[in-house]
Amino acid sequence: SQQGEEDPQALSIQEGENATMNCSYKTSINNLQWYRQNSGRGLVHLILIRSNEREKHSGRLRVTLDTSKKSSSLLITASRAADTASYFCATGERGGSNYKLTFGKGTLLTVNP
Amino acid sequence: SAVISQKPSRDICQRGTSLTIQCQVDSQVTMMFWYRQQPGQSLTLIATANQGSEATYESGFVIDKFPISRPNLTFSTLTVSNMSPEDSSIYLCSVARGGRTDTQYFGPGTRLTVL
Repeated sequence: SQQGEEDPQALSIQEGENATMNCSYKTSINNLQWYRQNSGRGLVHLILIRSNEREKHSGRLRVTLDTSKKSSSLLITASRAADTASYFCATGERGGSNYKLTFGKGTLLTVNP
Repeated sequence: SAVISQKPSRDICQRGTSLTIQCQVDSQVTMMFWYRQQPGQSLTLIATANQGSEATYESGFVIDKFPISRPNLTFSTLTVSNMSPEDSSIYLCSVARGGRTDTQYFGPGTRLTVL
């Protein structure tokens, strides 16, 4: 079942602007991850934040996690046309002997030059 | 990270036929996963491919429809059997390395169209 729910579903901004995407989830998690997918190709891992962390940075990316609200946000600063892609949050759960990721529906980000 | 390749990258198949998708990793990995991404949708986990044992399938997916092989620590196949147009999707394999299974690395995907 889908756990993460991103909003907005689609976001269109101008190059240089910041883009913020949000993710909500329902159950307890060990971590939350963000992935990027270009044009229906493979996913690229962007950043992972653990349940005991509140904020994490990686280059132009900033991720926050609020476990009390079961929500996360991804901020991309100074966006570029190359950032145009779909962004998915995924929650990490431990089930039996396997480790599973449950993906949200994604946000389609368009950065206009 | 890991370098993952998938074959074929895309295919167009007739209803009722089967297609086997290959996933090759450049190094040994503990866990391999197969996902389906239907048009305009998110990823859904089909199964976890376990080396030396049967795959573990998620609810809604069965071995007869999606048989999986994992003969070694660098290779896996997913077969989509008796295909129908509803099977048209992108199929992606992913891997988790070593003791840190948190981050998954994805292959480029196989885009399947069933007529």
